[in-house]
Amino acid sequence: DARVTQTPRHKVTEMGQEVTMRCQPILGHNTVFWYRQTMMQGLELLAYFRNRAPLDDSGMPKDRFSAEMPDATLATLKIQPSEPRDSAVYFCASAREASYNEQFFGPGTRLTVL
Amino acid sequence: AQSVAQPEDQVNVAEGNPLTVKCTYSVSGNPYLFWYVQYPNRGLQFLLKYITGDNLVKGSYGFEAEFNKSQTSFHLKKPSALVSDSALYFCAVTLTGANNLFFGTGTRLTVIP
Repeated sequence: DARVTQTPRHKVTEMGQEVTMRCQPILGHNTVFWYRQTMMQGLELLAYFRNRAPLDDSGMPKDRFSAEMPDATLATLKIQPSEPRDSAVYFCASAREASYNEQFFGPGTRLTVL
Repeated sequence: AQSVAQPEDQVNVAEGNPLTVKCTYSVSGNPYLFWYVQYPNRGLQFLLKYITGDNLVKGSYGFEAEFNKSQTSFHLKKPSALVSDSALYFCAVTLTGANNLFFGTGTRLTVIP
């Protein structure tokens, strides 16, 4: 049963600290998405990659967020420095190329910045 | 520009009754439409999609949705609601060749025993 995995599942940190979230997409999926979910803003697309290349990261605050895919089995989302307003659940999703293919979501990383 | 509207933040229905969760879309072209469900403390799960062909699409857990081009709608339906259907439901749209989905704001469905 293939699934997207995310680590850590929960992260509590203090303002100003660096946070790194990791995602392992489903094997064979070449498109990876990062989303953020909050009560106020709902589900927001932060960035996505195809074949490890970033296609769009316009949803991310550029000064503090960065997303990479060091290899096909790992996607990372970093926040440096973190701020309380970054507190949210961050989801990774993967899909096969082609817009009609459904996305498979990971369980999320719940981030709390104090 | 593509967009999706879910006009109801909350839908309550009695167990055993039919349920409808509404979705309308706006795209400049032929859409691909999706429904996802999110249970508490979980990621979104794919329910069903419309790509082309039959306007009535059947998906997981007994859900179905009807694509209505003239009304630009893709409402999610189920003939008989279960308490376990209580969750947050998202409608999403994309276009041929597009790279990402546009999600609605979500509708919280509560099925009352």
